[in-house]
Amino acid sequence: RKEVEQDPGPFNVPEGATVAFNCTYSNSASQSFFWYRQDCRKEPKLLMSVYSSGNEDGRFTAQLNRASQYISLLIRDSKLSDSATYLCVVNNIPTFGRGTSLIVHP
Amino acid sequence: EAQVTQNPRYLITVTGKKLTVTCSQNMNHEYMSWYRQDPGLGLRQIYYSMNVEVTDKGDVPEGYKVSRKEKRNFPLILESPSPNQTSLYFCASSTSDEQFFGPGTRLTVL
Repeated sequence: RKEVEQDPGPFNVPEGATVAFNCTYSNSASQSFFWYRQDCRKEPKLLMSVYSSGNEDGRFTAQLNRASQYISLLIRDSKLSDSATYLCVVNNIPTFGRGTSLIVHP
Repeated sequence: EAQVTQNPRYLITVTGKKLTVTCSQNMNHEYMSWYRQDPGLGLRQIYYSMNVEVTDKGDVPEGYKVSRKEKRNFPLILESPSPNQTSLYFCASSTSDEQFFGPGTRLTVL
């Protein structure tokens, strides 16, 4: 079983839709969790950290479920500019998921 | 400006010709790492370094070497490149909260 797994997508959604991605991890001792965004042919950039109590940043909400060993990212009111690949990252010596591709269309 | 720089950004070379991809950061981070990214496989860690003179293998170290003689620089060395090392390479330096990636080096080995 891979350490970090994500559905690669693509998730194809209309503008204004709400979309959610999950990411499962295998190491129950994992302590740090992050979501990164990667645009085509660009470097990944931190979107948000994921805290135990869940956290929100504008239209983005991240949650952690330790019992089921997954993290989630919810995007509300999707914009065209949200089209990208979203990578989940586990731990400070990081393990990356393969990424989930999101395409937001008009 | 805080940044990670990589050079070259693009390189086409031939099998067996030694090459070095440089990586430099100006944020005084102790932790640096190299990744390769391939379609369908995501980002895979090649090597990482927790501090000067401390390097460790990541998930896919075969065919690569690194060195960390000073904190700011972490070059990736391919002694004898092969076509299966054609990939997009990213260097990163990190705090405990965030990784900062370089712009990437697209390498083609013919």
